[in-house]
Amino acid sequence: EDQVTQSPEALRLQEGESSSLNCSYTVSGLRGLFWYRQDPGKGPEFLFTLYSAGEEKEKERLKATLTKKESFLHITAPKPEDSATYLCAVQVDTGRRALTFGSGTRLQVQP
Amino acid sequence: DAGVIQSPRHEVTEMGQEVTLRCKPISGHNSLFWYRQTMMRGLELLIYFNNNVPIDDSGMPEDRFSAKMPNASFSTLKIQPSEPRDSAVYFCASNQGAGNQPQHFGDGTRLSIL
Repeated sequence: EDQVTQSPEALRLQEGESSSLNCSYTVSGLRGLFWYRQDPGKGPEFLFTLYSAGEEKEKERLKATLTKKESFLHITAPKPEDSATYLCAVQVDTGRRALTFGSGTRLQVQP
Repeated sequence: DAGVIQSPRHEVTEMGQEVTLRCKPISGHNSLFWYRQTMMRGLELLIYFNNNVPIDDSGMPEDRFSAKMPNASFSTLKIQPSEPRDSAVYFCASNQGAGNQPQHFGDGTRLSIL
């Protein structure tokens, strides 16, 4: 069974304090790994797609990386507006197009 | 460009009533997904359509749930009769083309069954 585990469940940072969020996955064959950001009362907002080990994507203060077993979302010098829940999801190479989501990391950045 | 549009944003109804949730996907997207989010189980796929045809409904919890996509710009998720355990946030998402394109989500319908 495909599994996605995110850690930590919650993370509190001071503004400017860089850190990383982890997404570990166990799947039969990875077709894509997706990172989303979700604000309260909103739907998940797409951030990145990673397709193969070694791939990296960047957007502003965020950088996503992928290995054969896990992905990291690195947040450099975060600001309070980066506070949100970050979700990781995988799509497996079975033709099934559904995403399997992790439970998310709730990030709070304090000024 | 308009994103995925869901209605209503909030729905409160009594147990036993019929509930209909609506979704308009992004124009040009040919796949549509219905997800449910709860604190206990997170985000789970209920059903998805490709070119208006239901492809995978293995996530639909039971016969009380049904979904339709009569055309490329509209889908409904219906619960009849509703139960308190159906209370959750229901999201619709859409994407285009190849299966590993990112799915884009609406802002959801928060459903409360009393």
